[in-house]
Amino acid sequence: GDSVTQMEGPVTLSEEAFLTINCTYTATGYPSLFWYVQYPGEGLQLLLKATKADDKGSNKGFEATYRKETTSFHLEKGSVQVSDSAVYFCALSDQGGSYIPTFGRGTSLIVHP
Amino acid sequence: DAGVIQSPRHEVTEMGQEVTLRCKPISGHNSLFWYRQTMMRGLELLIYFNNNVPIDDSGMPEDRFSAKMPNASFSTLKIQPSEPRDSAVYFCASTTGWETQYFGPGTRLLVL
Repeated sequence: GDSVTQMEGPVTLSEEAFLTINCTYTATGYPSLFWYVQYPGEGLQLLLKATKADDKGSNKGFEATYRKETTSFHLEKGSVQVSDSAVYFCALSDQGGSYIPTFGRGTSLIVHP
Repeated sequence: DAGVIQSPRHEVTEMGQEVTLRCKPISGHNSLFWYRQTMMRGLELLIYFNNNVPIDDSGMPEDRFSAKMPNASFSTLKIQPSEPRDSAVYFCASTTGWETQYFGPGTRLLVL
């Protein structure tokens, strides 16, 4: 079945540091890939997405590129801020499969001033 | 748009009591999902509906849990009787086209 694997957290960084959160996936069909962010006390919200190979999703300074050859969708940001502290979830929706989204376990990011 | 609305936001109850969680999806969305989030198990899909019809409830932990969607603008998740291990944050999410999910703010349930 479909699966998403994320690097375990917490990831702890100083403000203005470079961020990478790794995500790899397994899917039987042609998935769309997503990054969701969950701020403390809130529900998940879409951060960015990509629907086909080599697409790059971007939002709020975050980027991720859909790499079919490595089945990866790593999240990056060049300079993190304290306000980026949150839990980040990688997810896929397999249009060739059941359409039920598959979420990773989430990676906690803590940014210190 | 008001987004997905969930109520109550917080619920504290005693073991054995019935708990009802409510969700109003975004207007026009035809799919609704109920999730449970805990530190130990992460985000778990409990059940989802398409056009008000339950499609897959294989994630519902046991018979104490039930969910209904009587119309396109309302869904409930009921736990009867509740147990301390049901303590978690319960999220409702809606979507259309099986793409981006829109989550509600969640209901934080504590069963004593």
